[in-house]
Order: sequence, then structure tokens, then C-alpha cells
Amino acid sequence: GQQVMQIPQYQHVQEGEDFTTYCNSSTTLSNIQWYKQRPGGHPVFLIQLVKSGEVKKQKRLTFQFGEAKKNSSLHITATQTTDVGTYFCAGSIRLSSGSARQLTFGSGTQLTVLP
Amino acid sequence: DAGVIQSPRHEVTEMGQEVTLRCKPISGHNSLFWYRQTMMRGLELLIYFNNNVPIDDSGMPEDRFSAKMPNASFSTLKIQPSEPRDSAVYFCASSLAGRLTEAFFGQGTRLTVV
Repeated sequence: GQQVMQIPQYQHVQEGEDFTTYCNSSTTLSNIQWYKQRPGGHPVFLIQLVKSGEVKKQKRLTFQFGEAKKNSSLHITATQTTDVGTYFCAGSIRLSSGSARQLTFGSGTQLTVLP
Repeated sequence: DAGVIQSPRHEVTEMGQEVTLRCKPISGHNSLFWYRQTMMRGLELLIYFNNNVPIDDSGMPEDRFSAKMPNASFSTLKIQPSEPRDSAVYFCASSLAGRLTEAFFGQGTRLTVV
């Protein structure tokens, strides 16, 4: 079945260091979304990428969608303690029936920022 | 806007009992999703409704699970009978237009089956 692989599973960084999480799909994606989940909280939408090669920025966060639309990355510059949480990617593909798109979440990367 | 509202926030039940989780999506959203989150399996899509109609229920684990959306402002996820392996956090989410738009998640229901 469709899988969206996400690495690394865990990342510990010192405050001020950069952080990157990667998503890879075996199938071409229609779009990819990124979510952040704080400990004990619920996933919160960050951004959606749709176009091949698309790059979007939100302050210290940079999101990229690969040219082949099979991979994506989230990069955080100069991490802060408020960045702590689990970052998920979620990719949509068209089902073989052509009728609907399946949304598959990656396993998430749990980020710890040490002060 | 109150956001997606789920109830209860916590549920502890005995194995074999029926459990019903409830969700009120954001007004005006026409898509609703039920997710289950566990340490072992991560975040799994269980079922997706569009305009109150189930579109994709391929994630529903087995017949013990059922979901309904009788109207645009209410959905339920029922487990009957419940088993310890159903213990998880269940999230409901809604969006304006399917899986290509931003999904807003509720606070979740933490279910423990003992």
C-alpha cells in the first residue's frame, strides 16, 4: 500500500541549531501537507505544497516539494524551544480507482530542543 | 469559531463495552475525517466523509468500528465491542473541501480499554 516514509524519527538539537525532517513517497503525490503536534496536543496545519519544485517559507521554516513530487522537506533555521513537538508530513495520492485521494501521514519526527 | 469539538476528552471502558466518540466539525466545512493515533502505528486515517457521505473507509480496522454522519454538524465513531488494542487517541478533523485543503483537528479523545 501507499506509504509515506519520514526521517529521522527523533532529533535532539541545541537551541539555535538547524533542523530538517524529510518525507519520501513511493508514489507521486498530488500534494503534501505539513503539521505540527505539540506534546499532548493535536496536529496543527502548517502548510500545503502542490506544485513540483515548490518552496515556501514561514519565518524560520522552509518547506520544499521535490521536482518529482515524491519527496518533501521541512527545514527550521535557528531552532527555539517553542519549536518542540512532532512534525508530520501528509501526502495525498489518487487511488487506482481514480475516484478519491488517500491522505497518508508520515510517522513524524519528534523534535527536542535543548536550551 | 470554536473549532472542531470532540467529546468525551477521555474515556475509560471495560473490554466488551460499546464506546461512542462524538465530533462536531467547524461550521461550513464539508469534509470530516476520523484518525487514530498510537505510538506503534502513528496517525492513521480511519474514515473520510464528504458532504455527510462516507467516501473512503478503507482505514477502518474491522467490523467492530462504525462511523456515521447524520448531518453536517455531527459525526460519531462507534466501537462495539471494544478491545484493549483499541486504546488510542482518536482525532476528528474537518476541512472546507476534502483532502486537498487544510484540516483542522479537534483536541482528541483518549480512549483506554481495560
